[in-house]
Amino acid sequence: AQKITQTQPGMFVQEKEAVTLDCTYDTSDQSYGLFWYKQPSSGEMIFLIYQGSYDEQNATEGRYSLNFQKARKSANLVISASQLGDSAMYFCAMRAGGSQGNLIFGKGTKLSVKP
Amino acid sequence: EAGVAQSPRYKIIEKRQSVAFWCNPISGHATLYWYQQILGQGPKLLIQFQNNGVVDDSQLPKDRFSAERLKGVDSTLKIQPAKLEDSAVYLCASSLARTGGFYNEQFFGPGTRLTVL
Repeated sequence: AQKITQTQPGMFVQEKEAVTLDCTYDTSDQSYGLFWYKQPSSGEMIFLIYQGSYDEQNATEGRYSLNFQKARKSANLVISASQLGDSAMYFCAMRAGGSQGNLIFGKGTKLSVKP
Repeated sequence: EAGVAQSPRYKIIEKRQSVAFWCNPISGHATLYWYQQILGQGPKLLIQFQNNGVVDDSQLPKDRFSAERLKGVDSTLKIQPAKLEDSAVYLCASSLARTGGFYNEQFFGPGTRLTVL
């Protein structure tokens, strides 16, 4: 069975500093995709970044990067130069089970950025 | 480009009543998803449509939940009768038609927050 684990219910970071949000996953599939979403208090889920299991390079999108360690089955999100607007819930998700597999989400981490 | 639209944004009902949610996906998106997000948890897929056909409804409680997407565009999700444990945010998402590969970005609506008293 596929599973996503996010062990940090809440995190605090000072504005302009970097922060790492942890995510570990479990799957017996060799091919899969990993996603990070941001959910502000308004409720919508915003896609941030994607990493394929066969991608050799860690994904990067602006201030977001994904620290992908396949052997450890971890896909941590790194946010550089935190901004007040980064305060939100962050969800790690996985798609496995072939191209028809659906997204399985973790329980999320609440990030609070302090001025 | 307009995003995924959902209505209502909030709904309060008493247990055993019925309720319906509406979703209009992004134009041209063939795939539509309904998720249930209980407080403190990540979203859980309820049902996935490809055009007007059901791809996956394995986690939909079919004794009380139903969903349809008759013309392959907008969709409604219904709960009848509602239970206390149905209190959650119901998120609708859409994406382009599924093809090979795992990258298929889903665009989410703002959700409907349901409270069952």
